[in-house]
Amino acid sequence: DVKVTQSSRYLVKRTGEKVFLECVQDMDHENMFWYRQDPGLGLRLIYFSYDVKMKEKGDIPEGYSVSREKKERFSLILESASTNQTSMYLCASSLGGYTGELFFGEGSRLTVL
Amino acid sequence: LAKTTQPISMDSYEGQEVNITCSHNNIATNDYITWYQQFPSQGPRFIIQGYKTKVTNEVASLFIPADRKSSTLSLPRVSLSDTAVYYCLVGPNDYKLSFGAGTTVTVRA
Repeated sequence: DVKVTQSSRYLVKRTGEKVFLECVQDMDHENMFWYRQDPGLGLRLIYFSYDVKMKEKGDIPEGYSVSREKKERFSLILESASTNQTSMYLCASSLGGYTGELFFGEGSRLTVL
Repeated sequence: LAKTTQPISMDSYEGQEVNITCSHNNIATNDYITWYQQFPSQGPRFIIQGYKTKVTNEVASLFIPADRKSSTLSLPRVSLSDTAVYYCLVGPNDYKLSFGAGTTVTVRA
């Protein structure tokens, strides 16, 4: 089974702190994604990566950056956390292609005080 | 990417069939239709995918008319454990798919 592991289920940070959310997948998938989920808004794509060191902006990249130094690991970085970044963050991976199925992690709930 | 419209919520009772229709009027030739299910405090999981006509698996059926401007996810004989949010996605691939708000299905005893 594909496993997508997110490093922390729950985090509490203070405004202005730098936050790292880590995601690791074990199926040699090409593509990896970061979403945030907020009530009533569904999942919105922040960034995705289709190869090591490659990235593309999603719908809401402002305030976020990403890093993919190794194929299995995709990190989401909040350079200076703000209260409006309090959310559930979901990482996903896929093999790629026209019918690629997304496999999601359990999510990381971030609270910024 | 094709925009999708689906109902915000649906209620049902155990043992009934639930049908969720998704509208995607500007679907492109290369687009596939994919449905995901999400339980509380979990990430979404793939349910079913189709291009045209009918697709069935052990979880659900997906009906796609000839014009492909809509699709219907059918959940047969639902149980309480089918209470979840269901997302309809349309796209050529998985690159830039956003999920929208989905349809919250509540199954009652």
